[in-house]
Amino acid sequence: EPEVTQTPSHQVTQMGQEVILRCVPISNHLYFYWYRQILGQKVEFLVSFYNNEISEKSEIFDDQFSVERPDGSNFTLKIRSTKLEDSAMYFCASGSGPGAKNIQYFGAGTRLSVL
Amino acid sequence: AQSVTQPDIHITVSEGASLELRCNYSYGATPYLFWYVQSPGQGLQLLLKYFSGDTLVQGIKGFEAEFKRSQSSFNLRKPSVHWSDAAEYFCAVAITDSWGKLQFGAGTQVVVTP
Repeated sequence: EPEVTQTPSHQVTQMGQEVILRCVPISNHLYFYWYRQILGQKVEFLVSFYNNEISEKSEIFDDQFSVERPDGSNFTLKIRSTKLEDSAMYFCASGSGPGAKNIQYFGAGTRLSVL
Repeated sequence: AQSVTQPDIHITVSEGASLELRCNYSYGATPYLFWYVQSPGQGLQLLLKYFSGDTLVQGIKGFEAEFKRSQSSFNLRKPSVHWSDAAEYFCAVAITDSWGKLQFGAGTQVVVTP
């Protein structure tokens, strides 16, 4: 069964450093998402991406965050200058269609620890 | 504002016993509702979904959920739990005027005892 793959599974970084979280979505999917879950809190939507553009983003997704599909297979989330409060589990998801009926398939997540 | 509430943070159930996980939503329009499960080291896996029609929906792994509009609920059930059902379960609602943004509940951790 096709799956969404995220690397690395755990990333440790120093505050102020840039990090790139990587995702390989399911191959025929066109809609991509990032979510995060701070320890003890809800899974929160960050951003959706389609046709090489951000289609929607949350208030959390400020100028420190960016997303990119650098080639035909990868989808990345970059945090330019990490803060302690960026420590969280980051989930990538992909789907084949837009809108609320679109089934999103999730990766196993990348745990980001900012020291 | 839309919200999803899972009142139970943690549930312990004996293997073979029934399981019910509660989910309440607050949403103006007809919601599109989902249950996801996360086993340790795994991603969020879709168990089932409700868009419209029959209010009792069947999912994978023997799970079912019932949509009750009058109670704003979408509770997940399984008649007989297996040890492999130990996981965290998330209820989610899709925001219909979005590009598919999901709003999640806080999750319920299920522990299965022998």
